[in-house]
Amino acid sequence: EAGVTQFPSHSVIEKGQTVTLRCDPISGHDNLYWYRRVMGKEIKFLLHFVKESKQDESGMPNNRFLAERTGGTYSTLKVQPAELEDSGVYFCASSQESGGRLGGTDTQYFGPGTRLTVL
Amino acid sequence: AQSVTQLDSQVPVFEEAPVELRCNYSSSVSVYLFWYVQYPNQGLQLLLKYLSGSTLVESINGFEAEFNKSQTSFHLRKPSVHISDTAEYFCAVSLPLPWYNKLIFGAGTRLAVHP
Repeated sequence: EAGVTQFPSHSVIEKGQTVTLRCDPISGHDNLYWYRRVMGKEIKFLLHFVKESKQDESGMPNNRFLAERTGGTYSTLKVQPAELEDSGVYFCASSQESGGRLGGTDTQYFGPGTRLTVL
Repeated sequence: AQSVTQLDSQVPVFEEAPVELRCNYSSSVSVYLFWYVQYPNQGLQLLLKYLSGSTLVESINGFEAEFNKSQTSFHLRKPSVHISDTAEYFCAVSLPLPWYNKLIFGAGTRLAVHP
């Protein structure tokens, strides 16, 4: 079974440009999460999809970030326009069961991350 | 709000020595506790988790962690480390029902095992 995949693995862009990150969760997983790690700091939650619906987007830093999950399958995270402070590693994770039914018991499987550098 | 503190950013240790990676958390409600590991150029992998029951949980590769409610800690230990244990380790918490299970992470501890 394929794990969570993320594309690209690295992205270097200039301030003001647009970047789109993609995440393919494990097939059949309803839950999809985005997290971000700014250099040397903790990994922070950005948002959570249950199928195609945004369940919790309390961690999205501002309206320059737009996440979508088409048809409840893969997800994209667009940053437009990118700023210097957006640099970091963006992780995607997926889990199988609905969090509302199992709460925090369901294991989240993480992708390798996308390293974004904004110059 | 919940928070997680990993007390050591880096831990150097010699092969076959014991190691303890410290984690403390803060929460006004009960939480679930996790340790994740990230090997170089890989994603995070779940190492072990505490949901309820026995306060001592073990992983398949010899790590164990003990939940201490009075000290709000979930320290990770291994009696004898290998070179292959070199990685970054993350402690995390999540909320139980009825909340959804976003993870709240500590800043990570880099374990460097030397021969």
